[in-house]
Amino acid sequence: DGGITQSPKYLFRKEGQNVTLSCEQNLNHDAMYWYRQDPGQGLRLIYYSQIVNDFQKGDIAEGYSVSREKKESFPLTVTSAQKNPTAFYLCASSILRRGGEQFFGPGTRLTVL
Amino acid sequence: AQTVTQSQPEMSVQEAETVTLSCTYDTSESDYYLFWYKQPPSRQMILVIRQEAYKQQNATENRFSVNFQKAAKSFSLKISDSQLGDAAMYFCAYRRVGGGGADGLTFGKGTHLIIQP
Repeated sequence: DGGITQSPKYLFRKEGQNVTLSCEQNLNHDAMYWYRQDPGQGLRLIYYSQIVNDFQKGDIAEGYSVSREKKESFPLTVTSAQKNPTAFYLCASSILRRGGEQFFGPGTRLTVL
Repeated sequence: AQTVTQSQPEMSVQEAETVTLSCTYDTSESDYYLFWYKQPPSRQMILVIRQEAYKQQNATENRFSVNFQKAAKSFSLKISDSQLGDAAMYFCAYRRVGGGGADGLTFGKGTHLIIQP
């Protein structure tokens, strides 16, 4: 079945530690995205990539880093520089065409202890 | 920068009735897309309906339809014959056409829809 997988579903981290969230897609989509969702808020764009080895900052990139070494994979690292990392993180992908729909993964809930 | 505003944090409707969720947006672009996404308690984001700004005809998907008013920058979602499975958070989202088709979405804060049996 084609789709987007994110792992783990729940992640706990101690303050000061970096942590990497996984996102994999087998939809053959060129573009991939990371969003953050906080309670009572909509989704906010962290980073996006439209091609391997290239990515752009979104609205809230500070304290995060990404890589795109393979078309299928777009991992997100939450660094210790991120002041308030506890949130729900969603990965998405889309084809590169006008109005291409973004498909979302099931999300990862990150909690900083 | 584009902004999307959903002024109704929560709405409640009786099963089988009709409900309308409001969304306004601000942009200087003339060509863009608007979306309504549904997020049930599972937190999986599901596309409900999509509207192209250059199309005057309002989009419809079964029980879901939109009222797109480009001049007023308004994009409301109407759900007819509400069902218990419609209970969810609903997010309005904007995406410009430029950027090679890779631009991210700008979301509103969402409307929590409650369906009363």
